[in-house]
Amino acid sequence: AQKVTQAQTEISVVEKEDVTLDCVYETRDTTYYLFWYKQPPSGELVFLIRRNSFDEQNEISGRYSWNFQKSTSSFNFTITASQVVDSAVYFCALNPTGSGNTGKLIFGQGTTLQVKP
Amino acid sequence: EAGVAQSPRYKIIEKRQSVAFWCNPISGHATLYWYQQILGQGPKLLIQFQNNGVVDDSQLPKDRFSAERLKGVDSTLKIQPAKLEDSAVYLCASSSLSGTAYNEQFFGPGTRLTVL
Repeated sequence: AQKVTQAQTEISVVEKEDVTLDCVYETRDTTYYLFWYKQPPSGELVFLIRRNSFDEQNEISGRYSWNFQKSTSSFNFTITASQVVDSAVYFCALNPTGSGNTGKLIFGQGTTLQVKP
Repeated sequence: EAGVAQSPRYKIIEKRQSVAFWCNPISGHATLYWYQQILGQGPKLLIQFQNNGVVDDSQLPKDRFSAERLKGVDSTLKIQPAKLEDSAVYLCASSSLSGTAYNEQFFGPGTRLTVL
């Protein structure tokens, strides 16, 4: 089965705190892609990052960092020194390629992050 | 570069009525996706087009939903007749290809449908 689980439904932090959003995925494919998207209150999904299954290097982009661990099938997202503008729903998604890559995304349920001033 | 355009942004209809949504992808993007996002859930793929051909419609409720992309550019998603459980945000996304790899999907603002 292909599945993405974001166990944290809602997280609330105070500005400047660090916060980690968890993502666990299931797939039997050896080649796949993982994504994170941000959905602010306006509703439009904003692409944050894409990683392929062969690249386990952690990535940092400004205050954002991602930790990919194939051994635990996890692709966690950390925001350092959170800001009020980070308040949004964050989705982790899997693009499996086993039966021919169509680019299809399987999304998790999303984690609502609220950053309080 | 213009983003993915969708209209209308909001629609309220009674059950058993029909409704249509329109999407114009980013220029040059051959792949177009329609997703359904029910409140509190992640988006679920309904149908995917590559140019004007259907790649995946396995999760499209074909007894009431239909979609077309006649000229390989903009697309229309229709629901006929609507049910209460169709209340959701309908998202359109587009992407380009790099060889055989699909690049990231760019999403439109969505159409929020309320079925009463």
